[in-house]
Amino acid sequence: NAGVTQTPKFQVLKTGQSMTLQCAQDMNHNSMYWYRQDPGMGLRLIYYSASEGTTDKGEVPNGYNVSRLNKREFSLRLESAAPSQTSVYFCASSEYGRGSGGYTFGSGTRLTVV
Amino acid sequence: QQPVQSPQAVILREGEDAVINCSSSKALYSVHWYRQKHGEAPVFLMILLKGGEQKGHDKISASFNEKKQQSSLYLTASQLSYSGTYFCGTEIRNQGGKLIFGQGTELSVKP
Repeated sequence: NAGVTQTPKFQVLKTGQSMTLQCAQDMNHNSMYWYRQDPGMGLRLIYYSASEGTTDKGEVPNGYNVSRLNKREFSLRLESAAPSQTSVYFCASSEYGRGSGGYTFGSGTRLTVV
Repeated sequence: QQPVQSPQAVILREGEDAVINCSSSKALYSVHWYRQKHGEAPVFLMILLKGGEQKGHDKISASFNEKKQQSSLYLTASQLSYSGTYFCGTEIRNQGGKLIFGQGTELSVKP
């Protein structure tokens, strides 16, 4: 029972490079989310997908794009990385609609942009 | 829109109690609480739903005052394992289940 799996765990990018962070869940959850975490800032929502086929912007969407590939997978793309995007990125999933389930988080991707 | 947590940090001795508060400017549908240990992912503790339903475990409980748009997390007889950063996440109705998190409260339990 893997839960939420994120890849890669660590990544160093040069300014201007692009990359995709992968996220997959095996709990049959409808909703998936991408957050970034910076020291003293808590967790800030980048994008989310309430259900397969839908995506919406969160608090800090600029510089990112997402794809809900299927019910299991939700990817986050940085088209042209900037040093300000250095952060820890967490993917999460939940059973939206029942109001009774919490988020399950992946282990995170530690991204450094130089 | 981000909820405000207080205090920002607290230091306890084993066996002491603590209260962490979470306040929102928006009408809330639910409040979640999570604990994160250093270098790890946040872990779900409990959810409080509008209408008073509560879920929790062990010696950690919480309350939700819908009128004041506030929630409090209560940790009783703290253990060393309670150390970490606690986050509240607030949900507004009909917004896809998304949570907006507070800035966190760092809790340190000393022997």
